[in-house]
Amino acid sequence: NAGVTQTPKFQVLKTGQSMTLQCAQDMNHEYMSWYRQDPGMGLRLIHYSVGAGITDQGEVPNGYNVSRSTTEDFPLRLLSAAPSQTSVYFCASRDTGGGDTQYFGPGTRLTVL
Amino acid sequence: EDQVTQSPEALRLQEGESSSLNCSYTVSGLRGLFWYRQDPGKGPEFLFTLYSAGEEKEKERLKATLTKKESFLHITAPKPEDSATYLCAVQAGTGGFKTIFGAGTRLFVKA
Repeated sequence: NAGVTQTPKFQVLKTGQSMTLQCAQDMNHEYMSWYRQDPGMGLRLIHYSVGAGITDQGEVPNGYNVSRSTTEDFPLRLLSAAPSQTSVYFCASRDTGGGDTQYFGPGTRLTVL
Repeated sequence: EDQVTQSPEALRLQEGESSSLNCSYTVSGLRGLFWYRQDPGKGPEFLFTLYSAGEEKEKERLKATLTKKESFLHITAPKPEDSATYLCAVQAGTGGFKTIFGAGTRLFVKA
């Protein structure tokens, strides 16, 4: 049982490049979400999904896309990277069947030059 | 607007010196309040969930309490290994699918 895994751990992009941050969980959780964490600020919700085929926007969705084709995977796509997207990104999952605890991945540190 | 504020931003304690961290919140329809611990370079790790005013939960040297406007994380006789950032978060609204985090309190415990 690996929990929530994220790849890569570190990434450097140039402005305008695109990339996909990967997130997978093996706990059969329906709910998955993406957050970004910036210094001095709390974790901010980017996008979330309540099940395969269902996604919705969080607090800061601009510049990011998501899709959910399987229960296990929830990739985050940066369409055209900007320096303002330099941040640490965390993926989390939660069982909506009675438990409210969110389990977080180890994070991806992204730098956009 | 839903909001979560944590204080202090940073707290330096001597080993054995008990203290409390504060989390004040303004949300409509609180479904739950969460405390997480985050070590440098790692993802947040769940500590507690509180659902209603008056509720308390304990784990080792940590005790979390909840009122209608705030939550406290009490740390009794802390050890250096308790050094971390402690995050407070609230779940609110219909479905509880959006979680709002505070900026965290960085705790340093010196031996």
